[in-house]
Amino acid sequence: AQTVTQSQPEMSVQEAETVTLSCTYDTSENNYYLFWYKQPPSRQMILVIRQEAYKQQNATENRFSVNFQKAAKSFSLKISDSQLGDTAMYFCAFMKQGGETSGSRLTFGEGTQLTVNP
Amino acid sequence: KAGVTQTPRYLIKTRGQQVTLSCSPISGHRSVSWYQQTPGQGLQFLFEYFSETQRNKGNFPGRFSGRQFSNSRSEMNVSTLELGDSALYLCASSLDSYYNEQFFGPGTRLTVL
Repeated sequence: AQTVTQSQPEMSVQEAETVTLSCTYDTSENNYYLFWYKQPPSRQMILVIRQEAYKQQNATENRFSVNFQKAAKSFSLKISDSQLGDTAMYFCAFMKQGGETSGSRLTFGEGTQLTVNP
Repeated sequence: KAGVTQTPRYLIKTRGQQVTLSCSPISGHRSVSWYQQTPGQGLQFLFEYFSETQRNKGNFPGRFSGRQFSNSRSEMNVSTLELGDSALYLCASSLDSYYNEQFFGPGTRLTVL
């Protein structure tokens, strides 16, 4: 079974600054995906960024980037130039590579509540 | 393209009743997954349906069940409701097993009194 751990329940950052959210996971799988989702007060879960385990290059999406350390089973999210709209709960999630019969499921961490202050 | 829709958005039931929640995936998506979110347990996987077949099931009692129709719409049912079933129920859809990005609906907030 897979586990995902987010050790920072809450974080805060000033607008325009950079913040890094931590995530570690445990798995015996070799082929998998890692995700960061954000859940603002509206409760709508939004995909922020995704990383394929077989790719060594870290994923980036505009102001969001990850530091993926496969050997250490670490997957942190860096948010640059933080904006007020980034205030949300952030979830790290794991999914092993699916197949026609094996299906797919997300295993989530506990979440980190990020507050961006003006 | 319309996103994932869930109905109803809010629901209040009493203990012992049963409830049915509905999820319509993004057009063309064949996989639908359900998750339960509570303050105490966080986000937990319930089950996944693909082409009308349940492929994955989480660690929930048999009171939780679901199904998927030929148009990929899915329903989940909870029978004999308990106070602990109060939660936000999220539905997510994806194209298929090989395309792993899941898109979430807005959720159904269930309150059991």
